[in-house]
Amino acid sequence: AQKITQTQPGMFVQEKEAVTLDCTYDTSDPSYGLFWYKQPSSGEMIFLIYQGSYDQQNATEGRYSLNFQKARKSANLVISASQLGDSAMYFCAMRDVGGSSNTGKLIFGQGTTLQVKP
Amino acid sequence: NAGVTQTPKFQVLKTGQSMTLQCAQDMNHEYMSWYRQDPGMGLRLIHYSVGAGITDQGEVPNGYNVSRSTTEDFPLRLLSAAPSQTSVYFCASSYGWASQYEQYFGPGTRLTVT
Repeated sequence: AQKITQTQPGMFVQEKEAVTLDCTYDTSDPSYGLFWYKQPSSGEMIFLIYQGSYDQQNATEGRYSLNFQKARKSANLVISASQLGDSAMYFCAMRDVGGSSNTGKLIFGQGTTLQVKP
Repeated sequence: NAGVTQTPKFQVLKTGQSMTLQCAQDMNHEYMSWYRQDPGMGLRLIHYSVGAGITDQGEVPNGYNVSRSTTEDFPLRLLSAAPSQTSVYFCASSYGWASQYEQYFGPGTRLTVT
């Protein structure tokens, strides 16, 4: 069965420093997508970055990059130059379409709360 | 575009009452889904739909019904509310179900069952 694991319930980072949020996943399907979402205290879910299982290069979106290590089944989010507005809950999620399911369900990890210190 | 809209934003129900959470999207997305978010548990999939007339169960479907009569709307029905259904409910949609399509989320409905 597909599974996403985020082992860091909470993290602190100093403003302007970089931080890495860990995510490991488990799937037997060859075709899948990995996503990171941000949930600020206001509650909305904000899409940050996507990495496809066949992508050769790590995805980047502004200050966000995804460190994709396929053999290790990890998809860590790196936030460079942290800002106070980055304080939020971060969710890693996986969407797979291989195998017999073929239904594109999005499975979420439990989330990591990031606090940026001034 | 309004994106994904959900109503109501907040709701309090008594045990045993029924209600419908509304979800609509104006992006012509085929794929829609409902999640619930409980503290410390991330988001869990309740039901999803790959197109009008087609729905299926997710991880935690018990106590909930859905239907998809149009592409735009995907209501979630609570048949007989229980305190265990106190949660924040999110509706989401995406263009398709292929792995590269991000899901767009609505603002959420905070439901309390007493």
